[in-house]
Amino acid sequence: DAGITQSPRHKVTETGTPVTLRCHQTENHRYMYWYRQDPGHGLRLIHYSYGVKDTDKGEVSDGYSVSRSKTEDFLLTLESATSSQTSVYFCAISQDRVGTGELFFGEGSRLTVL
Amino acid sequence: RKEVEQDPGPFNVPEGATVAFNCTYSNSASQSFFWYRQDCRKEPKLLMSVYSSGNEDGRFTAQLNRASQYISLLIRDSKLSDSATYLCVVNRNNKLIFGAGTRLAVHP
Repeated sequence: DAGITQSPRHKVTETGTPVTLRCHQTENHRYMYWYRQDPGHGLRLIHYSYGVKDTDKGEVSDGYSVSRSKTEDFLLTLESATSSQTSVYFCAISQDRVGTGELFFGEGSRLTVL
Repeated sequence: RKEVEQDPGPFNVPEGATVAFNCTYSNSASQSFFWYRQDCRKEPKLLMSVYSSGNEDGRFTAQLNRASQYISLLIRDSKLSDSATYLCVVNRNNKLIFGAGTRLAVHP
């Protein structure tokens, strides 16, 4: 299995608090992604990174920010969590740009915002 | 309308059965296609790519129909371990668009 670690794996927080999820990889892959998964929806891309300090928005980026200061770490921050951000968050990595379809996912972080 | 549509199921089948899932996509500019598998409360994993000529991997066969804009996955001789959610994925302009998945439950 690809070396991807997400932390925390589970978190319960209150509306209005900041939350940071961390993704750490040991594969030295260039591309890293944050997705959210909700019932009835496919995985939706929040933000992605194509290198250190190089990031771009996905389709559901409002309310989220990201940072990548090292190849191995990609952080997702919810500046002020809302109940609509209750979801399962998956980090993914790929060696090449998405075209091959080979994304490797972390085990997910389950976030509940009360 | 979602860009990638799948029947959510569940498809309940006995061991040994053949089962097929379809997926439709709305954007004709989509370039490449995949099936991912996701076990309950686990992360998705690539099952197979889908090629224009159709492709097979053991008991799994994937087909693509560009004219009708649908993709199919056929599983033969179903095993209990095939129970999972199968995600149809489309690559459009180097962005992967995921369907919400079709759930398969194989019973003894």
